[in-house]
Amino acid sequence: NAGVMQNPRHLVRRRGQEARLRCSPMKGHSHVYWYRQLPEEGLKFMVYLQKENIIDESGMPKERFSAEFPKEGPSILRIQQVVRGDSAAYFCASSPSSGRAGADTQYFGPGTRLTVL
Amino acid sequence: DAKTTQPTSMDCAEGRAANLPCNHSTISGNEYVYWYRQIHSQGPQYIIHGLKNNETNEMASLIITEDRKSSTLILPHATLRDTAVYYCIVGTSGTYKYIFGTGTRLKVLA
Repeated sequence: NAGVMQNPRHLVRRRGQEARLRCSPMKGHSHVYWYRQLPEEGLKFMVYLQKENIIDESGMPKERFSAEFPKEGPSILRIQQVVRGDSAAYFCASSPSSGRAGADTQYFGPGTRLTVL
Repeated sequence: DAKTTQPTSMDCAEGRAANLPCNHSTISGNEYVYWYRQIHSQGPQYIIHGLKNNETNEMASLIITEDRKSSTLILPHATLRDTAVYYCIVGTSGTYKYIFGTGTRLKVLA
């Protein structure tokens, strides 16, 4: 039973380029969450998605960042016109459902480390 | 803001039990306590969660005080591979916006 998969594991971009980070949730999971971790800090929530719906994007920067979870395929976190401050580890998590007691434990992927030159 | 308080760091001798405390004095009746750990820079790994009763699984035990204002994660026989940052998180069954504080950096010593 494969866990949450993220690719690429490492991504290097120059300032102004676009970064696309992919996340495939665990089998049977329909909820996806994205978090960002800056060096020496804890993870910060960015966005919560279900298939074809953004449920909560309150942690997403207002500009340049977007996320989607299409009916088919992985969830995508897209960062346009990257800047050096976007350099961080981006983690995706998935859960089977939300609302049932204890059933929405989040399982995390290995992360994508973005470096902006 | 994090709703939990944890010590910044702890050391534990290999083979001994590691007891990691967490204060969550403002926890409400329907909030669970979740524990995760992050080894080096890997993705957080789920360890255990509980509501009011003590819980045990193959990785650890979770002891929650009767008033639920604090809890302790116990790794019964710590190994070098348990060296990690341990995070205590509280949330309801519908919580999805996990708040990771600074966690406890556990170092297991040979």
